[in-house]
Amino acid sequence: DARVTQTPRDKVTEMGQEVTMRCQPILGHNTVFWYRQTMMQGLELLAYFRNRAPLDDSGMPKDRFSAEMPDATLATLKIQPSEPRDSAVYFCASGLFGFGYTFGSGTRLTVV
Amino acid sequence: AQKVTQAQTEISVVEKEDVTLDCVYETRDTTYYLFWYKQPPSGELVFLIRRNSFDEQNEISGRYSWNFQKSTSSFNFTITASQVVDSAVYFCALSDGGYQKVTFGTGTKLQVIP
Repeated sequence: DARVTQTPRDKVTEMGQEVTMRCQPILGHNTVFWYRQTMMQGLELLAYFRNRAPLDDSGMPKDRFSAEMPDATLATLKIQPSEPRDSAVYFCASGLFGFGYTFGSGTRLTVV
Repeated sequence: AQKVTQAQTEISVVEKEDVTLDCVYETRDTTYYLFWYKQPPSGELVFLIRRNSFDEQNEISGRYSWNFQKSTSSFNFTITASQVVDSAVYFCALSDGGYQKVTFGTGTKLQVIP
């Protein structure tokens, strides 16, 4: 089965450091989402792309977060500088416009 | 604005019992999509079903069935003869028909007791 690949699987970093999370969407999928999951907030949509173009990143703290798709095989989510409140599981999902979406296994981020 | 409400935070059932997970949604769009995802203890999110707003037929897949009722804005999920492996958090989600921004509910944690 085709999978969405996220790296790293786990990341522990110190406050103030830059964190980069990567996602390889399923080949041929034209929509990519980034979600953050915490116990308090549940699943929050951070950003999403259609055909590599950003459609909505209103859920993202703009001052420290950035999301890009440099090419069709890679989506990145960067946090600079990271803060303890950014600790969460970050999920990437991809799909075709009009169909269901496949999620990656997530990146568990811990900022100490 | 879109909203998904899963009023049941946690449900416990004994194995082989049937269980229904409720999902109520709000949207102003006439075209929209509804989803259910399963998140087992391992943490991944597993796609279960997608339904568009024009298709109100109920769907059955093995022990799983879904009841979509536009009149009550509900998309409920029933597991028949529950099994321990069904223990997970189940999320209902909604996307509009245009940009397809997907909004998730808060999830229902299902525990199936042997």
